[in-house]
Amino acid sequence: KQEVTQIPAALSVPEGENLVLNCSFTDSAIYNLQWFRQDPGKGLTSLLLIQSSQREQTSGRLNASLDKSSGRSTLYIAASQPGDSATYLCAARPSGTYKYIFGTGTRLKVLA
Amino acid sequence: KAGVTQTPRYLIKTRGQQVTLSCSPISGHRSVSWYQQTPGQGLQFLFEYFSETQRNKGNFPGRFSGRQFSNSRSEMNVSTLELGDSALYLCASVRRGSESGRKETQYFGPGTRLLVL
Repeated sequence: KQEVTQIPAALSVPEGENLVLNCSFTDSAIYNLQWFRQDPGKGLTSLLLIQSSQREQTSGRLNASLDKSSGRSTLYIAASQPGDSATYLCAARPSGTYKYIFGTGTRLKVLA
Repeated sequence: KAGVTQTPRYLIKTRGQQVTLSCSPISGHRSVSWYQQTPGQGLQFLFEYFSETQRNKGNFPGRFSGRQFSNSRSEMNVSTLELGDSALYLCASVRRGSESGRKETQYFGPGTRLLVL
């Protein structure tokens, strides 16, 4: 059974810092892995999707990596801004399924 | 392009009642997924539909059911509501890479917040 864990649960950093959010999953048989952002009381916004055959994806200041063999993914945020404050969730899609297993999220606060 | 629409946005029900939530996906997206989000359990997968067929179901009791119509709109129903069903119910409209030949994209609606008293 796939389980997804995110560390840390919460993080507070000053504006401008580079930071790394961690995600680990127990079963390497995944089709892809996604990182999402959720603002309070809102739905989810997809940030980056990494296919199982890929090692990383980049979008602007965001870079996500995937290491299936170790069951880990990281989301790197460069030059953080107060507008990056949100909860970040990673989700793994097990191979052969159409569902995502979500981690519990990292609540990020970027201080101005 | 219009986003994912979920109705109603807020709902208050009492124990024992039933509720129906609706999701209209993005035009052209044929796959719809439903998730339940609670502070204690986080986001949990409920079901996924494609072309009116349920392809995956999560570990929820039979009180939770869903369906998809020919226009891809989807509904989920919860019967005999319990206090623990209070949650944010999220619908995702998905364009599958395998079905479109393009990169998979997933868009979530704003959710329906259900409170069971």
